[in-house]
Amino acid sequence: DTGVSQDPRHKITKRGQNVTFRCDPISEHNRLYWYRQTLGQGPEFLTYFQNEAQLEKSRLLSDRFSAERPKGSFSTLEIQRTEQGDSAMYLCASKLAGLETQYFGPGTRLLVL
Amino acid sequence: DAKTTQPTSMDCAEGRAANLPCNHSTISGNEYVYWYRQIHSQGPQYIIHGLKNNETNEMASLIITEDRKSSTLILPHATLRDTAVYYCIVRVVPGGGADGLTFGKGTHLIIQP
Repeated sequence: DTGVSQDPRHKITKRGQNVTFRCDPISEHNRLYWYRQTLGQGPEFLTYFQNEAQLEKSRLLSDRFSAERPKGSFSTLEIQRTEQGDSAMYLCASKLAGLETQYFGPGTRLLVL
Repeated sequence: DAKTTQPTSMDCAEGRAANLPCNHSTISGNEYVYWYRQIHSQGPQYIIHGLKNNETNEMASLIITEDRKSSTLILPHATLRDTAVYYCIVRVVPGGGADGLTFGKGTHLIIQP
């Protein structure tokens, strides 16, 4: 257990539905990252926050995806109008700015039917 | 970030040293080599990183060739719990880097009893 938690751990939804995932980072960590991992591939960076500010978004983050970190603590990742191609593991990581190690949560596995 | 090349999979006997190679022939002078691993159904875990000198910590050793075009991660006494996908990542600036990590497909290391 790294101290980063994600909820839910598993989510099954129907195409077209909206889903929201939550990440609780290690409490003193000011940077929070979201990644997506499909079967057989390494994780792909989606976006990151420093405190409550979203500082970078990958081109992988389509308009249907939105992430927030309203008080600089937990973060949510919402996917609107889910598609089958959104099926993946969604990973959250956190770290202290100035230090290198990112600590990853266990991930949320999404299956879109 | 420079591109890395790793073997798709490797086997190692329990108790023996596991040597995982990584090629990064286009590495720049200010890019570091990082290793993460991902045990099945868990998020990635930081192992070690280095610039040009060999590095050792409680988990592993990192050997970087003099020309920095390749490196080897060494797990000195592999156990069954070391079975995982190992990712070699090259990136600029430890700690201060704002970007997310760029993972390839990694090497699936299987420790045989």
